[in-house]
This record gives sequence, structure tokens and C-alpha cells, in this order.
Amino acid sequence: ETGVTQSPTHLIKTRGQQVTLRCSSQSGHNTVSWYQQALGQGPQFIFQYYREEENGRGNFPPRFSGLQFPNYSSELNVNALELDDSALYLCASSRGSQETQYFGPGTRLLVL
Amino acid sequence: AQTVTQSQPEMSVQEAETVTLSCTYDTSESDYYLFWYKQPPSRQMILVIRQEAYKQQNATENRFSVNFQKAAKSFSLKISDSQLGDAAMYFCAYNAGGTSYGKLTFGQGTILTVHP
Repeated sequence: ETGVTQSPTHLIKTRGQQVTLRCSSQSGHNTVSWYQQALGQGPQFIFQYYREEENGRGNFPPRFSGLQFPNYSSELNVNALELDDSALYLCASSRGSQETQYFGPGTRLLVL
Repeated sequence: AQTVTQSQPEMSVQEAETVTLSCTYDTSESDYYLFWYKQPPSRQMILVIRQEAYKQQNATENRFSVNFQKAAKSFSLKISDSQLGDAAMYFCAYNAGGTSYGKLTFGQGTILTVHP
């Protein structure tokens, strides 16, 4: 059984640019949640996608958006990048919106 | 809003000894789930153990067990027979059961060092 995968592993962008991060959910999982983890902090919930619809959102501005595809993989898009967007972005998949979440290895984003 | 507090920024333990990591949380919900995740330097968040609030019995997973005190809103993790591979950042996390979506709220983490 393949676990949660994310791409790319690392990314460097400049302020004002746009970025797309990708996540493939674990086999049998229909829900993907995205988290932002600043250095030395606990992850913060961005949003969750369940059956291709946004199912809940944390305290992040609209320039953070996402998609979920029919195969339940997901994308996180961030527009107008700011320096404070530099962080580890984690995605987690689960069998349902309230089920246990299993995390991918993360994408490290650096905004210069 | 729910909050999760881990009051120990760092802990250390000798190999083969036992260590307990503390976590408290604040919620007005009666139905929820609690988790411990570990995050090694490789940065992948790995599930250690899960506890349903409606279950009075403490969860155990091999060398890992929890002490869940619902009235005190306390959820500590005990690691027995510590191994070098247990060294990691440990996060306590909360998920409200009554909502339509599974948002995990994390504590600040505890760095665990294991000495040989």
C-alpha cells in the first residue's frame, strides 16, 4: 500500500510569485487536509478537501486555494507569495473527513 | 476555540528507560479524538497513538501508552523501553468529533532526546 506522497520536496520562490504543491493520497483515502508548519512550531490547518469539495478551512487568506481531483489527489495553490509563507507544507489523507489522518513527507517552501 | 498545550519544550531519556510527555487541551466538546504524532528530523509526521474521548480505557500501542484524564483535560504519552529511534519532535493533537470536517489542532511540540 503506497503512502501519502508530496511533490516537490523543496521549492524556492520570490515574493509575489505563485506556487502549486501536490499531494497524492494513500490508497482507499478520499480526504486530503493541508497544513502549514513554520520552523519550530506545530502545524496549522489550512483546509480540507472531501470528495473534491472544500470541506473546512482554517484562518488563512483567500490567496491560499486548493483542488481535489477525481483520484483524490490534491493541489495547494498560493498566490502573491509573502516572506511569511516560508514553511513546511504538509498534506494528510484519511478514509473520511473525520478519520485518522496520515501525513506525507512535506514540501519545504522558501520565499525570498 | 480549542487549544492544545505542551508545557515541555524539551525532554531527555536514557535508552531503555521510560519517559512521559505531557499534554493538556481546552475544549467544550464532549466528543473528540486525541493523537500523538512524532516528527523525526526527516520531517514526516508519523502517527503514534490515537484515543477516542468516549473510551475510558487508555490506548496502548506496543511501547507507547497514554494516560487520558478527561475531566482534567490531560493526555500524556508514556514511552517505555526508550530506543534511539524514538528521538523526534512529538506533537499532541486534538480533533473535534462533532464537526463535519477533521481539523487537527496541534500543540507546540516536545523535542525528545534519547541518550545511549
